[in-house]
Amino acid sequence: DAGITQSPRHKVTETGTPVTLRCHQTENHRYMYWYRQDPGHGLRLIHYSYGVKDTDKGEVSDGYSVSRSKTEDFLLTLESATSSQTSVYFCAISSTQHRSGFTTDTQYFGPGTRLTVL
Amino acid sequence: KNQVEQSPQSLIILEGKNCTLQCNYTVSPFSNLRWYKQDTGRGPVSLTIMTFSENTKSNGRYTATLDADTKQSSLHITASQLSDSASYICVVPPGNTGTASKLTFGTGTRLQVTL
Repeated sequence: DAGITQSPRHKVTETGTPVTLRCHQTENHRYMYWYRQDPGHGLRLIHYSYGVKDTDKGEVSDGYSVSRSKTEDFLLTLESATSSQTSVYFCAISSTQHRSGFTTDTQYFGPGTRLTVL
Repeated sequence: KNQVEQSPQSLIILEGKNCTLQCNYTVSPFSNLRWYKQDTGRGPVSLTIMTFSENTKSNGRYTATLDADTKQSSLHITASQLSDSASYICVVPPGNTGTASKLTFGTGTRLQVTL
């Protein structure tokens, strides 16, 4: 699991409340990612980080913000949760490998957080 | 738009049987293709990565093939076991980025192996 933990693992909240999900890694990886996974869709990138205080938007960033104040922690915040944000959220890191003249990145995922917004 | 399409959407097979999952992609430029296995309630785990120069790669009972000309990949599972029950996801990053930030994920094939 590349030393990735997510908290909480499950959360039920009400529409309009703020929610923060935490991703913690122990292996000092530079890149971290937040995805959401919904039935009928592939994993979709919300935001990612390429270093402390360096973040960028993914394809479904509306309604989400992130922060990375230290290498090991990447926080995802829903400022005002909506029912459309009910989903399973995965954090990931990427690790670069060099093999046979190629450089490839492999993503390693955390265990996920199931969020339900009522 | 870069796309990854997987088929079938779901599959049920008897333990011990073989099966083949398909992945078609339109991602360009192409660099590599990955297959992930996702057990229920867990995050995806990488099974194999194939670069454009590789046609076949095996990882135990899993064999992945790649045809970069037709933009197709397959994942063949031999002598299936109950533990193979999972979703299998095909992932293709565009070749012009090194940050893995623009991965295109397929929706996955849900495999169920039964007794």
